[in-house]
Amino acid sequence: DVKVTQSSRYLVKRTGEKVFLECVQDMDHENMFWYRQDPGLGLRLIYFSYDVKMKEKGDIPEGYSVSREKKERFSLILESASTNQTSMYLCASSFTRGSNQPQHFGDGTRLSIL
Amino acid sequence: AQSVSQHNHHVILSEAASLELGCNYSYGGTVNLFWYVQYPGQHLQLLLKYFSGDPLVKGIKGFEAEFIKSKFSFNLRKPSVQWSDTAEYFCAVGYQGGKLIFGQGTELSVKP
Repeated sequence: DVKVTQSSRYLVKRTGEKVFLECVQDMDHENMFWYRQDPGLGLRLIYFSYDVKMKEKGDIPEGYSVSREKKERFSLILESASTNQTSMYLCASSFTRGSNQPQHFGDGTRLSIL
Repeated sequence: AQSVSQHNHHVILSEAASLELGCNYSYGGTVNLFWYVQYPGQHLQLLLKYFSGDPLVKGIKGFEAEFIKSKFSFNLRKPSVQWSDTAEYFCAVGYQGGKLIFGQGTELSVKP
């Protein structure tokens, strides 16, 4: 079974801080994704990566960056946290780029920015 | 731009009632469709998927979905819900590059 592990379930940070959210998958998947989940808005794609050191913007990349130095690890960075980034953040991975590939999700990190 | 729409935001049912959750998508090409479920406090998990072939697909826990191409729909059904089906349900369309577009989600509450 695929395991996607996010480093924290809950995180509280202050406005202006630099915040790192970490995600690790154990199935040698090529693709990794970061979403934010907000009530009534579903999941919105922030960034994704097809390979090490590669990244592409999703639908809402503003205020975020990512890093993928190793295949199994994908980090989301909030450069200067703001209160409107309070949300649930989900990491996912999938085997290849095919549009028929299901994604496997982590448990999520509920981030509060004060 | 592609989009996915789930019309029901919150559905409340009693146990043993039948369930149908609507999902419509806008995408002109070949579609790959998914339903995910998120139980309280748990990660999203795949319920079922449709790629091609029989438009009626069966998933885990007694769920099924029907792909109707002419209606751009992929509705989720279950003949008899249980309290343990209380969760949030997301419809998604797979497209280029392995990305998924998700609907807004439907929260299902089942009363015992």
